[in-house]
Amino acid sequence: NAGVTQTPKFRILKIGQSMTLQCTQDMNHNYMYWYRQDPGMGLKLIYYSVGAGITDKGEVPNGYNVSRSTTEDFPLRLELAAPSQTSVYFCASSYSRGLAGGTDTQYFGPGTRLTVL
Amino acid sequence: ILNVEQSPQSLHVQEGDSTNFTCSFPSSNFYALHWYRWETAKSPEALFVMTLNGDEKKKGRISATLNTKEGYSYLYIKGSQPEDSATYLCASDPETSGSRLTFGEGTQLTVNP
Repeated sequence: NAGVTQTPKFRILKIGQSMTLQCTQDMNHNYMYWYRQDPGMGLKLIYYSVGAGITDKGEVPNGYNVSRSTTEDFPLRLELAAPSQTSVYFCASSYSRGLAGGTDTQYFGPGTRLTVL
Repeated sequence: ILNVEQSPQSLHVQEGDSTNFTCSFPSSNFYALHWYRWETAKSPEALFVMTLNGDEKKKGRISATLNTKEGYSYLYIKGSQPEDSATYLCASDPETSGSRLTFGEGTQLTVNP
């Protein structure tokens, strides 16, 4: 059971380039999330998904897109990279409340450190 | 309180000291309060999920209490060890959030040997 995996671990992009951050979970969780973590700041929610085919914006969605074609995968797409997107990106997953005895602990991947120059 | 606030922002203690920090969260529309432990260069790991007013949870030397009426939770570490050094995050999980958590900025704990 690998949990939540993310690739790549590190990436440097030039301004205007695009890339996809991959996230996969093998726990059969309904819910998946993308966060970014900037120095000295907490985790900010970018996008989340409550199941395959369903996605919604979080607190800081501008400049990003997501898709959820399967339960396992939740890729995050950056279309036109900007220096403001330099951050550490974490993917997480959880059961929905009704399936986990009333709790929805989130399980985090190892993170992707992205630098945009 | 509209956001999740944690204090102090950072804390340095000596090995063997006991310590505690605070998480304040909106008390209205409460569903659950989460605590996570986040070591440098790793990913956050869940410590506790608390749902009931007056709840107290314990894991080894770490314990947490919850007051949903006034909107605060305390995390206690008894006899701190260097391996306890980490950032401790709390997150509010309101009733209508659909499992979206609002995280505080964390308390960074450093335990000196």
